[in-house]
Amino acid sequence: AQSVTQPDIHITVSEGASLELRCNYSYGATPYLFWYVQSPGQGLQLLLKYFSGDTLVQGIKGFEAEFKRSQSSFNLRKPSVHWSDAAEYFCAVAPMEYGNKLVFGAGTILRVKS
Amino acid sequence: EPEVTQTPSHQVTQMGQEVILRCVPISNHLYFYWYRQILGQKVEFLVSFYNNEISEKSEIFDDQFSVERPDGSNFTLKIRSTKLEDSAMYFCASSGDTDTQYFGPGTRLTVL
Repeated sequence: AQSVTQPDIHITVSEGASLELRCNYSYGATPYLFWYVQSPGQGLQLLLKYFSGDTLVQGIKGFEAEFKRSQSSFNLRKPSVHWSDAAEYFCAVAPMEYGNKLVFGAGTILRVKS
Repeated sequence: EPEVTQTPSHQVTQMGQEVILRCVPISNHLYFYWYRQILGQKVEFLVSFYNNEISEKSEIFDDQFSVERPDGSNFTLKIRSTKLEDSAMYFCASSGDTDTQYFGPGTRLTVL
């Protein structure tokens, strides 16, 4: 069965510091890969996605993620964190077919210290 | 930019009552989904819907749940007889030919 692991439940970084959120997946083939962000009381906003091609993908709000097939990982990065980035971040996978469900990780809560 | 909308934002109901959660997906999308997130837990898939029928459902989606696309714009989730454990945030999502799911803001369901 597909599964997604986000090993860090909470991460605290200082404003201006770099950020890396980890995501590992277990799946028989390379799936579609996504990162979503959820601010308190809000819905899920898509940050970026990987379908194929360049393994480094750029997203909104200055985020990027790198797909590493050999490690079954899709880590999210940002070079300089802003206080407004404090939120919960979810990694998700879906099979490479239309209309398939997303399987989510447990999420990582990001706190930003000023 | 088009977005998925959901109503109501918060629904409070008594155990055993029926609730209907409503969603308006993005207009040219073909695939529709419901997910739920119990407080403090991960987002879980409930059901997907395509071409006016369920394409996949999870084990959570038992006979108490049903989905419908009553017209060309709305997509609804009905829970026939709510239980305390149905209390959660329910998210609707839709996708088109890019296979990216876009989520609505959610409906918080509280069952008393």
